Amino acid sequence: VQLVESGGGLVQPGKSLKLSCSASGFTFSSYGMHWIRQAPGKGLDWVAYISSSSGTVYADAVKGRFTISRDNAKNTLYLQLNSLKSEDTAIYYCARYGYNYWGQGVMVTVSS
Amino acid sequence: DIQMTQSPSSLPASLGDRVTITCRASQDIGNYLRWFQQKPGKSPRLMIYGATNLAAGVPSRFSGSRSGSDYSLTISSLESEDMADYYCLQSKESPFTFGSGTKLEIK
Repeated sequence: VQLVESGGGLVQPGKSLKLSCSASGFTFSSYGMHWIRQAPGKGLDWVAYISSSSGTVYADAVKGRFTISRDNAKNTLYLQLNSLKSEDTAIYYCARYGYNYWGQGVMVTVSS
Repeated sequence: DIQMTQSPSSLPASLGDRVTITCRASQDIGNYLRWFQQKPGKSPRLMIYGATNLAAGVPSRFSGSRSGSDYSLTISSLESEDMADYYCLQSKESPFTFGSGTKLEIK
C-alpha cells in the first residue's frame, strides 16, 4: 500500500488549491479515504472523509470551503481547498479507511 | 461534536517506566477509539484500534483499555524508540476528533 500526496505550495489568502493523493497497492475503489491536517507544531486535525460510494463528511472548520472527491479510474483522492485562510496552513495527509495507511503529507502555506 | 480531552500534554518518563496516557470522551463513543504514535517529521502510525486491539506490527508492551468514557494507552516498559507524540481519535461519529496530544519525553 502506498499513498502519495501532491499539489501543495504557497498560496495567498482567499485563493484556491487542489491536493491529490495517488493510491497504489490496494483496490482503491473499495475503501473510504480521509484527509487529516497538522498545523506547524500543533496536533492532528481531521478534515474530511469520502466513502467508497462517494458519500462525504467534513470538519466544521472547512465545511463549505473544502471539497473531497475521488476518481477511482485514476486511483486518486482529491481535496479542493477554496477561500483559504492563514489558519489552513498545515501539512495535509491522506489516510485509508481504518487509518492504518498514511501518505507522507504535503505542505500548504497560506500567506500574502 | 464529540470532544476528546487528552492528558497529560507532556509526560517525562525514564526508560523502563510504565506510562499511561488518557483520553476522556464528552459523549458515548463505545469502542470507536484509536491511538496513534507520531515521531518528528513522520506520518502518524496506528497503534491501537477498537480501544483495545493492537495494530499490526505494534510491540506487545503497548496496550489499550477502557473504563466508561475514559480510554487509556499504556506502555508497560518504556523503550527509547517510544519517545514520540501520541494522539487519540474518536471515530464513532463525524466530525471525527483527535485528542490534543501527549509528548512523551525522556526525564
